[in-house]
Amino acid sequence: QVQLVESGGGLVKPGGSLRLSCAASGFSFSDYYMSWIRQAPGKGLEWISYISSTSSTLYYTDSVKGRFTISRDNAKNSLSLQMNSLRAEDTAVYYCARHTSGSTWYTFDYWGQGALVTVSS
Amino acid sequence: QSVLTQPPSVTGAPGQGVTISCTGSRSDIGAGNDVQWYQQLPGTVPKLLILANRHRPSGVPDRFSGSKSGASASLAITGLQAEDEADYYCQSYDSTLHNVVFGGGTKLTVL
Repeated sequence: QVQLVESGGGLVKPGGSLRLSCAASGFSFSDYYMSWIRQAPGKGLEWISYISSTSSTLYYTDSVKGRFTISRDNAKNSLSLQMNSLRAEDTAVYYCARHTSGSTWYTFDYWGQGALVTVSS
Repeated sequence: QSVLTQPPSVTGAPGQGVTISCTGSRSDIGAGNDVQWYQQLPGTVPKLLILANRHRPSGVPDRFSGSKSGASASLAITGLQAEDEADYYCQSYDSTLHNVVFGGGTKLTVL
């Protein structure tokens, strides 16, 4: 069965860095686009970034451009999010999610359990 | 502020029905991009409820239905049950910015 397991969350000071990882299993990871999506405490879902299956296409939401970097290692079935210059407003649960294939490729059919990132002094 | 606009909350009685609206723009839903709906039960991970405007993944009851018209979409839930209490999010794609977009979420309360 499809499994997505995030790791790397924790407490970090403003201006600090953190790297999230997502271990994928149960499907052919290299065939799928992947995204990071976050949810601040008590708030809604916010898409952060997606990466194509071959890493040739990357997009970010404006609020994280220049600070966050998405990457993947298809040989290791792993997705990562490098987060630099962290701010208090980046505090959230971060989910990795698999895109569906086909015409509505921007649909998310599987989500990880999430990793909590807290930015506070 | 979310790109897609949803009502913050809706309320319905058991057995009744509710509709949740989702309004976008010419660059997302209005550009012909499909709308998805996700259900997030309290303390859980979002679950895909409706894809491509009106299609239900396997296991989703037919009490849930979706529709789309122009730059807007709707999620209808009939025969409300207590376990339907959750947050519901619409989602689409902005073709201009190449961004995935979500609605702000709607909290459904079953009285």
